[in-house]
Amino acid sequence: EAGVTQSPTHLIKTRGQQATLRCSPISGHTSVYWYQQALGLGLQFLLWYDEGEERNRGNFPPRFSGRQFPNYSSELNVNALELEDSALYLCASSSWGQGSSLNSPLHFGNGTRLTVT
Amino acid sequence: QKEVEQNSGPLSVPEGAIASLNCTYSDRGSQSFFWYRQYSGKSPELIMFIYSNGDKEDGRFTAQLNKASQYVSLLIRDSQPSDSATYLCAVNGAGGSYIPTFGRGTSLIVHP
Repeated sequence: EAGVTQSPTHLIKTRGQQATLRCSPISGHTSVYWYQQALGLGLQFLLWYDEGEERNRGNFPPRFSGRQFPNYSSELNVNALELEDSALYLCASSSWGQGSSLNSPLHFGNGTRLTVT
Repeated sequence: QKEVEQNSGPLSVPEGAIASLNCTYSDRGSQSFFWYRQYSGKSPELIMFIYSNGDKEDGRFTAQLNKASQYVSLLIRDSQPSDSATYLCAVNGAGGSYIPTFGRGTSLIVHP
């Protein structure tokens, strides 16, 4: 069974540009989560998508946005990049969704390392 | 504000010893608890999860949950240098939330 896949592995952008990160969940998983992990910091929740809809978002500015496609893959867009956006962006999928068990764990992809210069 | 607290470490143990990693959480309604291992520069990988009070064993790993004390721990028996990593505690389910909250992690160093 293929795991969660993310692309690209590395992304280098300059301040003010836009970045697009992509994620494909494990087959059968409908929930996709995005987390940001800045150097030396913990995982900060960004966005949760399930069944094509945004279910929740973390405490991040609106320039962080995304979407989930009918095949449950997802895209994270970061507009007007700032230096402090440099981080590892992790996508995770889960078999839980609205109304399902809360005990299903998250399975993470290998992440996209975004560097803003 | 849901909080998950972990000692950042590093926790240093000799090879073959038992490593004990601890985590406390603030929301009494939390229902499921997860331990992840993260090697430097890599993504977190699930070690095990627990949702009932008591102990749960999987190979060299034992998770312990005490909901009354809002405390979850991970024991690693016969620690190996390859266990050297950051261990993340995650908590979910409070108020029907599907958003796991992660601690900042404890760095474990197993020295030969």
